[in-house]
Amino acid sequence: DTAVSQTPKYLVTQMGNDKSIKCEQNLGHDTMYWYKQDSKKFLKIMFSYNNKELIINETVPNRFSPKSPDKAHLNLHINSLELGDSAVYFCASSPLGQSNSPLHFGNGTRLTVT
Amino acid sequence: AQSVTQLGSHVSVSEGALVLLRCNYSSSVPPYLFWYVQYPNQGLQLLLKYTSAATLVKGINGFEAEFKKSETSFHLTKPSAHMSDAAEYFCAVREAGGGADGLTFGKGTHLIIQP
Repeated sequence: DTAVSQTPKYLVTQMGNDKSIKCEQNLGHDTMYWYKQDSKKFLKIMFSYNNKELIINETVPNRFSPKSPDKAHLNLHINSLELGDSAVYFCASSPLGQSNSPLHFGNGTRLTVT
Repeated sequence: AQSVTQLGSHVSVSEGALVLLRCNYSSSVPPYLFWYVQYPNQGLQLLLKYTSAATLVKGINGFEAEFKKSETSFHLTKPSAHMSDAAEYFCAVREAGGGADGLTFGKGTHLIIQP
């Protein structure tokens, strides 16, 4: 029944490792996003993606890469993890071209890099 | 470019008192505005949204917000606070015709309810 689901919910790993977070939505939306929430609760968009374009926040390191096997999935791959990558990562989705529609968020993945 | 300012990183009210969380926006085109709530260790839940149909918007859990173009504000209110309202609240803006650029969030306001 969950509209936007992320796995895992918690991820603890060591510096230098490569990890992935998966996201799936069953709302039929065309656009998906990744947001990062830092320790001060600030939410910042990392990527938005639909089947035509990928919009990347220019401040996101290229160690982060989104991968979309199909319209319902947008996974986040992170290479060479650093301490500063520790945060909560949220996946979200919305209909394409409907700016008046809210984003639907997953429950987040808490990444801890040691 | 759009932006949102939430005044007060922490707001404390007594149970039963009025809740007022402030949000001011900046946008070069007519904006769509949203309030989300985040309970501890959970995701973001939509409280309400302004999409130009009505300036006073009612949401879930007894919350409402009023869009004031002249003040570029979209403050969130609730007449009587309940202990269960304790959470982090985020105001967000999205520009009309913004395509796939998502929401821009304010820094959040932590609402504390005193018994």
